[in-house]
Amino acid sequence: QSVLTQPPSVSGAPGQRVTISCTGSSSNIGAGYDVHWYQQFPGTAPKLLIYGNNNRPSGVPDRFSGSKSGTSASLAITGLQAEDEADYYCQSYDSSVTGSKVFGGGTKLTVL
Amino acid sequence: QITLKESGPTLVKPTQTLTLTCTFSGFSLSSSGVGVGWIRQPPGKALEWLALIYWDDDKKYSPSLKSRLTITKDTSKNQVVLTMTNMDPVDTGTYYCAPNRSGWFGWFDPWGQGTLVTVSS
Repeated sequence: QSVLTQPPSVSGAPGQRVTISCTGSSSNIGAGYDVHWYQQFPGTAPKLLIYGNNNRPSGVPDRFSGSKSGTSASLAITGLQAEDEADYYCQSYDSSVTGSKVFGGGTKLTVL
Repeated sequence: QITLKESGPTLVKPTQTLTLTCTFSGFSLSSSGVGVGWIRQPPGKALEWLALIYWDDDKKYSPSLKSRLTITKDTSKNQVVLTMTNMDPVDTGTYYCAPNRSGWFGWFDPWGQGTLVTVSS
């Protein structure tokens, strides 16, 4: 059971816009801690996609964007492409107990 | 260019201690603010943060695994070592190391290729 909740799967047709939610609580996202997003293809290591809620590292297409509001964050992908089919994970910090970095359960994006 | 590579045994027996080494280049763990973390991923499951060590030897552990984990660094060798005691089959998975950016609330980038560890008798 992950501290951050993501939908197990989302899908969309090429060219469409999809969003992936990441729901937390008052001890993590709701407390103002930043949310970061990773993209992972099968058999490979995760790759940073969004950092600090809405910042894209160099080389990440501007089709990817992040946002945060209240106890949730979202990753939006516009102009969906077949190559976007992958697993996506959110990550933040949780201040409960002694403090911990926490990940979401991951979302499998399928491009129809 | 920053690169990291994890190394260690591919197979360990239940109750044994796992020792993994992260060897990196392109940055120094003696520079202020720099940290390296370990993250694991059971087959088909989500990522789980394990531990983090900073340039000043400050160490952070996952609360649920703290009693079993030890993280150390060898700055001269550009290495970070993670030990996990009392291994169990549920600890099977791919173990990654990555530089931690922007402190305790930050992100990991880039990631090593990962090393698959299987726990089985």
